[in-house]
Amino acid sequence: DIQMTQSPASLSASVGDRVTITCRASQGISHYLAWYQQKPGKVPELLISAASTLQSGVPSRFSGSGSGTDFTLTISSLQPEDVATYYCQKYNSAPYTFGQGTNLEIK
Amino acid sequence: EVQLVESGGGLVQPGGSLRLSCAASGFTFSSYALSWVRQAPGKGLEWVSTVSGRVGDTYYADSVKGRFAISRDNSKNTLYLQMNSLRAEDTAVYYCAKASGAYNFDYWGQGTLVTVSS
Repeated sequence: DIQMTQSPASLSASVGDRVTITCRASQGISHYLAWYQQKPGKVPELLISAASTLQSGVPSRFSGSGSGTDFTLTISSLQPEDVATYYCQKYNSAPYTFGQGTNLEIK
Repeated sequence: EVQLVESGGGLVQPGGSLRLSCAASGFTFSSYALSWVRQAPGKGLEWVSTVSGRVGDTYYADSVKGRFAISRDNSKNTLYLQMNSLRAEDTAVYYCAKASGAYNFDYWGQGTLVTVSS
């Protein structure tokens, strides 16, 4: 099975910083990569699908890129409400594995 | 408005069984794949199982294969997860999630807690 590895596991940054989270697949998955945001105590929400397609209502400071095995989620200017754990997920074929998550905090 | 409402969680002894339900509304139920995703306390998300739309193909994580069974009743707009031979490591919040046109998950329920303990 394809493994999904996120880095870093945790991240502390200041308001206004540019933040990048990476996700690596152990084999190529084309563009079949989604990013989710889970705020503390809340249900996960889909942020980005197809590696770079922003979901409706998601702020434009979020962006995704990559294809094949290497993907990134970027927040161009970190806001306090972005404190959350972020997960990547492969969905080219089952198993639809999630990465282990990246916990993002405000410094 | 899409709504997914899970039920059926609770406390069960190791080796026991439980059936989770997810009542859906606000979309054409039979047209979309549905999944169960779980989250152990303080841990990350773990995909558990998916059932496709009209055909009903099923997929399972290795950790639950042979013990869990996913099903759907398109006449009742309801998704199920039959969980047998439960183990302590199955303790988690179980989320019902709707797939978009592909197998990422665009809507999630609030979750139901399953605790496996003696």
